[in-house]
Amino acid sequence: DAGVIQSPRHEVTEMGQEVTLRCKPISGHNSLFWYRQTMMRGLELLIYFNNNVPIDDSGMPEDRFSAKMPNASFSTLKIQPSEPRDSAVYFCASSLAGGNNQPQHFGDGTRLSIL
Amino acid sequence: GESVGLHLPTLSVQEGDNSIINCAYSNSASDYFIWYKQESGKGPQFIIDIRSNMDKRQGQRVTVLLNKTVKHLSLQIAATQPGDSAVYFCAEGNQAGTALIFGKGTTLSVSS
Repeated sequence: DAGVIQSPRHEVTEMGQEVTLRCKPISGHNSLFWYRQTMMRGLELLIYFNNNVPIDDSGMPEDRFSAKMPNASFSTLKIQPSEPRDSAVYFCASSLAGGNNQPQHFGDGTRLSIL
Repeated sequence: GESVGLHLPTLSVQEGDNSIINCAYSNSASDYFIWYKQESGKGPQFIIDIRSNMDKRQGQRVTVLLNKTVKHLSLQIAATQPGDSAVYFCAEGNQAGTALIFGKGTTLSVSS
C-alpha cells in the first residue's frame, strides 16, 4: 500500500518567493497533519485537518503560512512570501482518527531551503 | 506545562547488545503513547504504541514499558543491529487532546 506521499522532496528558492508543498494522505485516513522539523525546535505541529476541515492551526507561525485540504486525498501548505527562517523539513502525516490516540503515518518530507 | 522529554539525547551501543531508550512525560491525562524511528532523510516511522490500560507491549525485537506512577516510558530493542541506528521519538496523546505531542528525540548509534 502507498504511504503518505509528499512533493517535492527538495525545494530551493529565493526569499520572497511563494512555496507550495503538497501531500497525498493514505487512502481512507480522515486526519491529516502538517509538521515542521528543525534541529533547534524539533518536530512542531503546524496544523491538522479532520475530514478536510482545519481543526487546530495554532501552530502556524504567521499569516505567511496557509494550508488547505480541498478533498480527502490532497492537501497543500503554502508559504508566501518565504523567508530564510522558514528553511526546514516539512512533514505531512495522516491517521485514521483524530491522531491523538491513533498512530500517525508520515511521509518522507520536503526539505525546504530559502536563500 | 505539558511536555514530553527524553533522558538522554544520544545512546551508543555495540551490535548485539540490548538498547533502552527512555522518555518522561508530564501530562498525567495522557493515555496513549507511541515510539517512532527516524532515519536520515526519511520521515518518522511508527514502531509501536501502548495505551494506558497496559504497562507492557511487545513487538518484533521491541518492547515498550509504561510506568504511569512516575510518568515514564521506555523502548527496549533486543539484539540491536546497525540498521537500528536512527533518532527515536516518543509521543503522547489523549482523547481530550488535539494531537500528539512529540519529544525531542534520542539518537541511537550502533557500532559493529
